[in-house]
Amino acid sequence: ILNVEQSPQSLHVQEGDSTNFTCSFPSSNFYALHWYRWETAKSPEALFVMTLNGDEKKKGRISATLNTKEGYSYLYIKGSQPEDSATYLCAFTANDYKLSFGAGTTVTVRA
Amino acid sequence: DVKVTQSSRYLVKRTGEKVFLECVQDMDHENMFWYRQDPGLGLRLIYFSYDVKMKEKGDIPEGYSVSREKKERFSLILESASTNQTSMYLCASSLAGRAGELFFGEGSRLTVL
Repeated sequence: ILNVEQSPQSLHVQEGDSTNFTCSFPSSNFYALHWYRWETAKSPEALFVMTLNGDEKKKGRISATLNTKEGYSYLYIKGSQPEDSATYLCAFTANDYKLSFGAGTTVTVRA
Repeated sequence: DVKVTQSSRYLVKRTGEKVFLECVQDMDHENMFWYRQDPGLGLRLIYFSYDVKMKEKGDIPEGYSVSREKKERFSLILESASTNQTSMYLCASSLAGRAGELFFGEGSRLTVL
C-alpha cells in the first residue's frame, strides 16, 4: 500500500485569508499526482493532475505545486471563500494503474 | 454532461447476504475503479479494471470481487456481507493510461446489520 499522507487533517480559515496544506508521497516510481475537491453531499471532483517535477497549476484562486524528487505537493487557496469549504484529497500513481489517496485535509472557511 | 451512475445511494443488508453494487459510465472510459471511504482513512482502492474483462486487485480486495463484462459497467460484489463492510462505496472512471483524472459517482452507502 502506497503511503500518501496529508497534513493537516483539518483546518479553519477566516474568509479572505489564504491557506495551504501538504501532500507527501513516495518519491520513487512517480508517475502522477492528483488533487480532488470533495464537497459535502457531492462527488469528488478533479482539480489538478500533475506529472512533471516543478509543475505548478492554477484554477482560479486555487493553485498547486509539485516536487517529485522530495515527494511532496502543496495546495494553496488564495483569499478563501465559504464555497472553498470542502475536503481536499490528493492521490498518487506510481508505474501502475493504481491511484492511492491520502486521508484528506478538511477546510472550513469562516465567514 | 458526463456521468458515472451508481445503482443505489443507500442499501441495508444482513450479514451473509450477497450484495451487488453496480456502476455505469457514459464516457467510454477504459479505466474503472471501486473505492471505499471510511472516516479518517480516506479512499481505499478495492479493485480496478483497465479493460473489459480485466481486473486488478487494489489495496483491500479481501471479501470483494468484481465483474466487467461490458466497457461501461463495473460491478462490485460482496459474496457474503459482513458488518465490517459497512461503508461508503465510490465508483470512478478515467480514460486509458495512468494519469487521467477520475470521474466519480455519487456513492453508495451500505449498512450491513
